[in-house]
Amino acid sequence: DQQVKQNSPSLSVQEGRISILNCDYTNSMFDYFLWYKKYPAEGPTFLISISSIKDKNEDGRFTVFLNKSAKHLSLHIVPSQPGDSAVYFCAASSYNNDMRFGAGTRLTVKP
Amino acid sequence: DVKVTQSSRYLVKRTGEKVFLECVQDMDHENMFWYRQDPGLGLRLIYFSYDVKMKEKGDIPEGYSVSREKKERFSLILESASTNQTSMYLCASSADRRLKETQYFGPGTRLLVL
Repeated sequence: DQQVKQNSPSLSVQEGRISILNCDYTNSMFDYFLWYKKYPAEGPTFLISISSIKDKNEDGRFTVFLNKSAKHLSLHIVPSQPGDSAVYFCAASSYNNDMRFGAGTRLTVKP
Repeated sequence: DVKVTQSSRYLVKRTGEKVFLECVQDMDHENMFWYRQDPGLGLRLIYFSYDVKMKEKGDIPEGYSVSREKKERFSLILESASTNQTSMYLCASSADRRLKETQYFGPGTRLLVL
């Protein structure tokens, strides 16, 4: 039973354009959401997070949007760069800090 | 900089062998985690620990055990390796459970069970 779903296993965008990665969750107890980025042969690294009391959090080229009523969050990367090519994992955490991860989306940014 | 290290990057074992995966973190973090990563399934939590000598089961603990004798070290044990345990194993640590700290991951151990 996957509580966090990333329905697109892959995404390809042109350099300079926007990348939008989507994530859906089913557990209404989740109140903290994170995105991790993973390069091949490395562990995931934290990218950006958002608390359920917000609907948007921005950090440079990266913005995460949260729609609690739809149980949906998205990561926007603008502008996309070839170095952004990686696997992106969405994660959700509940009050007791147990974290659940999605299956990941492989982003390819073409020069 | 937080550093989480794992004892091996690649490991090949035979069915039935006992396998030890070691993880060490150098930031005095309270919490440590073991995940496995499989295609299409993402990261699934096997076991975690919030304190020395303390452990809790995650979503898929069957076939695994853990040991945390020291704060900085968290070991994952496959008592009798099976081919369905072929996977990428990732260790992570975080500072404080209550503060929803982000987790810091090691580079992973790719285990092949023949």
